[in-house]
Amino acid sequence: QKEVEQNSGPLSVPEGAIASLNCTYSDRGSQSFFWYRQYSGKSPELIMSIYSNGDKEDGRFTAQLNKASQYVSLLIRDSQPSDSATYLCAVLVWGKLQFGAGTQVVVTP
Amino acid sequence: GAVVSQHPSRVICKSGTSVKIECRSLDFQATTMFWYRQFPKQSLMLMATSNEGSKATYEQGVEKDKFLINHASLTLSTLTVTSAHPEDSSFYICSASSGLNEQFFGPGTRLTVL
Repeated sequence: QKEVEQNSGPLSVPEGAIASLNCTYSDRGSQSFFWYRQYSGKSPELIMSIYSNGDKEDGRFTAQLNKASQYVSLLIRDSQPSDSATYLCAVLVWGKLQFGAGTQVVVTP
Repeated sequence: GAVVSQHPSRVICKSGTSVKIECRSLDFQATTMFWYRQFPKQSLMLMATSNEGSKATYEQGVEKDKFLINHASLTLSTLTVTSAHPEDSSFYICSASSGLNEQFFGPGTRLTVL
């Protein structure tokens, strides 16, 4: 079983709609969770971090964490073509980030 | 936000040569720097963790004699790929942390070994 699992996609989302990305992790001791956005050929860019159960909103992004279910998600509201990228879920375990394989999001005009 | 730079952004070298990649934290002191490698269509794989003034800790399967890491100051870490071969061609990315949970990534270095 992979440490951090994500659906690879691609997730096709109409412009203006909500993109919903999911991530599960295996280490119950994890306390810090991150979402990175990576454009093709570029390095990851941190877009959200979340540490406690519940929702955290930042602009058009909302991260949701449920430690009991070992589940973290990312919602992108009012999706724009510029949101087309691969979204990486990362979990901090013993000081090291463990990455999921990433979900490719394609926002169609 | 925290800024991390990498140099060079792209390098092409002949098989058997060595290549050095620099990673700098520009506006904060990085107590820990991480080196990742990413092959096409794959996620980031951690190669090693380095703390300023200490020897790097390598992940299982990563040859420490082939990938030399130096973290001489709180703002600079270098990765040297020694005797590079075509299979070492990849996207190498560093990240830096000030000791808090977040890591900030450099722009990456694309290495092509002919």
